[in-house]
Amino acid sequence: DTVLTQSPALAVSPGERVTISCRASESVSTGMHWYQQKPGQQPKLLIYGASNLESGVPARFSGSGSGTDFTLTIDPVEADDTATYFCQQSWNDPYTFGAGTKLELK
Amino acid sequence: EVQLVESGGGLVQPGRSLKLSCAASGFTFSNYYMAWVRQAPKKGLEWVATISTSGSRTYYPDSVKGRFTISRDNAKSSLYLQMNSLKSEDTATYYCARPTRDGTYYYFDYWGQGVMVTVSS
Repeated sequence: DTVLTQSPALAVSPGERVTISCRASESVSTGMHWYQQKPGQQPKLLIYGASNLESGVPARFSGSGSGTDFTLTIDPVEADDTATYFCQQSWNDPYTFGAGTKLELK
Repeated sequence: EVQLVESGGGLVQPGRSLKLSCAASGFTFSNYYMAWVRQAPKKGLEWVATISTSGSRTYYPDSVKGRFTISRDNAKSSLYLQMNSLKSEDTATYYCARPTRDGTYYYFDYWGQGVMVTVSS
């Protein structure tokens, strides 16, 4: 299975720029997607196909990467962005998710 | 507005069975693949099953293959997950999710609110 590795946690101040990384154990082309999950809620799609912004998601969110290295960027970070962010690949079977990066605001 | 509403969760003993349901609305259900994704307490997400539009094709990871069965009723806009031989490691919140295709890959663009399944004696 394709393993997706994310750093466990980050802490940033509002207004700053934050990058959340996701590294795949094998190439997933651009079949990488990002989700935001707030406590007690279901995941919400932010980015699909590595760099495409889902409709209704603020332009503060952006994604980049291909192959094995991917990044989700939030610029600027707002207080409401406190959440866990998951990457997910759908290029290789089975679909797999990263363990999530918990973003905290200072 | 797309809505996915799960039901059927609860406490079940190891080795027993449980069937989850998902009621879909706000889109043409029969035009979409559908899926189940689960999340163990304070853990990450795990894809559990996917079903094709007609229901003729189903896909599972090895962790549930042979124990779980995904099905659908397009006339009722409903998705199901039959879970047999349940184990403690199946304890999780189960989400109904809609996979949408863009080019050669799928991503989950809508998720239900989730239903909790606890496997314990």
